[in-house]
Amino acid sequence: GAVVSQHPSWVICKSGTSVKIECRSLDFQATTMFWYRQFPKQSLMLMATSNEGSKATYEQGVEKDKFLINHASLTLSTLTVTSAHPEDSSFYICSASRGGNEKLFFGSGTQLSVL
Amino acid sequence: EDQVTQSPEALRLQEGESSSLNCSYTVSGLRGLFWYRQDPGKGPEFLFTLYSAGEEKEKERLKATLTKKESFLHITAPKPEDSATYLCAVLGLSSGSARQLTFGSGTQLTVLP
Repeated sequence: GAVVSQHPSWVICKSGTSVKIECRSLDFQATTMFWYRQFPKQSLMLMATSNEGSKATYEQGVEKDKFLINHASLTLSTLTVTSAHPEDSSFYICSASRGGNEKLFFGSGTQLSVL
Repeated sequence: EDQVTQSPEALRLQEGESSSLNCSYTVSGLRGLFWYRQDPGKGPEFLFTLYSAGEEKEKERLKATLTKKESFLHITAPKPEDSATYLCAVLGLSSGSARQLTFGSGTQLTVLP
């Protein structure tokens, strides 16, 4: 089956630094990828929709200058958390679809801890 | 706006004790209802997609059913390894071509040996 790879699995950083998370579709081309945030014991909250070759679409309340998304190719999208602060600590998950009503395939997630 | 409500929030079962998880939804034109399993610290793992009322799908001890208002995930004779959070999500017409899923808050299932 289709696989989505997400790296790193976890990252600890100091407040004020930037962190980049990568999401790759390994065996299919994904024109659209999605980035989610998940707090403990809560469901996934969509942050943004990443479109290859164009600007990402952000959900209401998500700061686009803080969460930079780049979808430079059909197999790679990156999320950069800029000037991270402790309140940005969370579990970030990406997903991708082959299109149509196809199911989404999810990455394994990235646990970000900002000290 | 599409909405998904899952119940119960948490469920504890003894091994072998069958039960059902509920997913109630409101959507402007259902394109698909999805069930995922999520283990702690992991991304969701796909289980089923249901497209129309009356549809049923099975996989090992799990069976998903769909009506026009809700979906059930039936777990028959569960084992401890079935312990996980089960997420329900819908894809509606309002999401357009973006294929954005709307997720429920999940049911945390614990199966005791």
